[in-house]
Amino acid sequence: DAKTTQPPSMDCAEGRAANLPCNHSTISGNEYVYWYRQIHSQGPQYIIHGLKNNETNEMASLIITEDRKSSTLILPHATLRDTAVYYCIVRVAPSGLIFGKGTKLSVKP
Amino acid sequence: EAQVTQNPRYLITVTGKKLTVTCSQNMNHEYMSWYRQDPGLGLRQIYYSMNVEVTDKGDVPEGYKVSRKEKRNFPLILESPSPNQTSLYFCASSLKAPGFGANVLTFGAGSRLTVL
Repeated sequence: DAKTTQPPSMDCAEGRAANLPCNHSTISGNEYVYWYRQIHSQGPQYIIHGLKNNETNEMASLIITEDRKSSTLILPHATLRDTAVYYCIVRVAPSGLIFGKGTKLSVKP
Repeated sequence: EAQVTQNPRYLITVTGKKLTVTCSQNMNHEYMSWYRQDPGLGLRQIYYSMNVEVTDKGDVPEGYKVSRKEKRNFPLILESPSPNQTSLYFCASSLKAPGFGANVLTFGAGSRLTVL
């Protein structure tokens, strides 16, 4: 069972920031939050992960609330190529990562 | 180039004809996993392997077999395919079991299987 909750879909204007929320209220203290995305039917692609602190890389930023019960993935300047399904995942022992249905982000011109 | 390679990428077969989807990684990863993806159901895990000779069932293992005789290969076997196994299949690997720090999954490009 997925341990995260995400909205099924979101829209974003090209060039604007896309903020994708994720609820993981049952996360335990040593569990990381991971974000992946899947463009069309390609293999999912890793974006970013975090434990407690906010993280940033060349693709995105991850903001984790202080109580760690939710997080937000930020794509600072969304482009049409960012249109994809975005998955927020918390590890499910022992099998690894369980993917839910994710959020379908549509970036519109 | 570090990658996970799946073959075949596309396959149309008939009910009951045994088939194998191969998966190979060149990153010396210990952990490997198979997922299937169906419309409206997202990615569901079929089998996973923590290391050589260690495999275990995921959420939807019925109708599938796997083996892990070498670290780099993790084939998915459909002994007697049925139409409900028509799906998009992904193989993935990571250095160790994903979910701890930088142990992130690298996915293959996918194998689209149709069983008539």
